[in-house]
Amino acid sequence: NAGVTQTPKFQVLKTGQSMTLQCAQDMNHEYMSWYRQDPGMGLRLIHYSVGAGITDQGEVPNGYNVSRSTTEDFPLRLLSAAPSQTSVYFCASSETSVLTDTQYFGPGTRLTVL
Amino acid sequence: SQELEQSPQSLIVQEGKNLTINCTSSKTLYGLYWYKQKYGEGLIFLMMLQKGGEEKSHEKITAKLDEKKQQSSLHITASQPSHAGIYLCGAVPSGVSGGYNKLIFGAGTRLAVHP
Repeated sequence: NAGVTQTPKFQVLKTGQSMTLQCAQDMNHEYMSWYRQDPGMGLRLIHYSVGAGITDQGEVPNGYNVSRSTTEDFPLRLLSAAPSQTSVYFCASSETSVLTDTQYFGPGTRLTVL
Repeated sequence: SQELEQSPQSLIVQEGKNLTINCTSSKTLYGLYWYKQKYGEGLIFLMMLQKGGEEKSHEKITAKLDEKKQQSSLHITASQPSHAGIYLCGAVPSGVSGGYNKLIFGAGTRLAVHP
């Protein structure tokens, strides 16, 4: 199993550009989520999904869109990048609920918005 | 909103010394995770605690969740340079809409172990 994979590893954008961060898992996990990590603030939940076709907002959803058309993939879209979105983004997955199942994290995508 | 406070923010210890990292919440937690992050990398799962008073150990790392499920500690015995990194606690909050599907995290504790 590859576990949770994320692409790209690094990305530089200009303000106003759009892009999609890719996340995939091969463990047949129902639950997937996106976090951003900023210095001194730990990880903050952006969006999550409890299964294909079902998504919901986390703590900091503004400026980000998600969709879950398959169990394996959970892309994160930035519609119009802003410098405040400069961060490290982590995707995670667990079998079902975060209450009972371990969350596995991907290696992260480091995004810089100029 | 519910928050997790981690202390200390950073820690420098001599190899072989014991150390403790704390994670505190103002409300009851429904599950407490400890993760380790090496600088510039992803998160590595260490332990998950769910029951009040629960204690788990793995190699030289022991984690405890208090009876009220509002505070957890991570204790490392005889620290080694390989223990260096950022330790993060994460928890399932109570009283939050959809809370069972959300994890909140503390800001992390940076640990350096000097030979």
